[in-house]
Amino acid sequence: ILNVEQSPQSLHVQEGDSTNFTCSFPSSNFYALHWYRWETAKSPEALFVMTLNGDEKKKGRISATLNTKEGYSYLYIKGSQPEDSATYLCAFRSGGSNYKLTFGKGTLLTVNP
Amino acid sequence: GAGVSQSPRYKVAKRGQDVALRCDPISGHVSLFWYQQALGQGPEFLTYFQNEAQLDKSGLPSDRFFAERPEGSVSTLKIQRTQQEDSAVYLCASSLGLNNEQFFGPGTRLTVL
Repeated sequence: ILNVEQSPQSLHVQEGDSTNFTCSFPSSNFYALHWYRWETAKSPEALFVMTLNGDEKKKGRISATLNTKEGYSYLYIKGSQPEDSATYLCAFRSGGSNYKLTFGKGTLLTVNP
Repeated sequence: GAGVSQSPRYKVAKRGQDVALRCDPISGHVSLFWYQQALGQGPEFLTYFQNEAQLDKSGLPSDRFFAERPEGSVSTLKIQRTQQEDSAVYLCASSLGLNNEQFFGPGTRLTVL
């Protein structure tokens, strides 16, 4: 059984604050790590697909890093806005059955105006 | 729209009823996935299709769950004799191929009373 953990479970920040979340995953048999943003009543939206140790990816105010040797990824949001409020999910793909996504439970971010 | 669509968006069923959940993938996507997200959990893999072939159904929780994709496009997830523990959000995703990025629909929220 693959174990993907996310922390914190929920987070409340003020508009303008910067924040970050953690996703930990098995460090062996790594294939890819995905980050999704899921707003209520909408489809999960892909943010990043990360495949190489040391990868850093950026999309506007959101960025992510990857450490496959120790099995963790960080997602950073700079200058949070109310529209960033969503659940952020990470999902791990192993090399064995790499079409399956194994998700963490998500981090629920609320940005107060 | 060009995204993955699911219907119904919400379904309330009495315990013991049969339900059918529909997924319309992105046109041309050969791979289709179903996931189940129970309250407080991350999405969990249920089953996977490559065109009309169901290649992995290892995540289906019981023989009351049945999925099909007869023409390699639209898929239906059927749950027979629903139980309260079947209450969850059911997500469908499609991708161009086995290892490509998965695009998600908005999900069907099933509540079994």
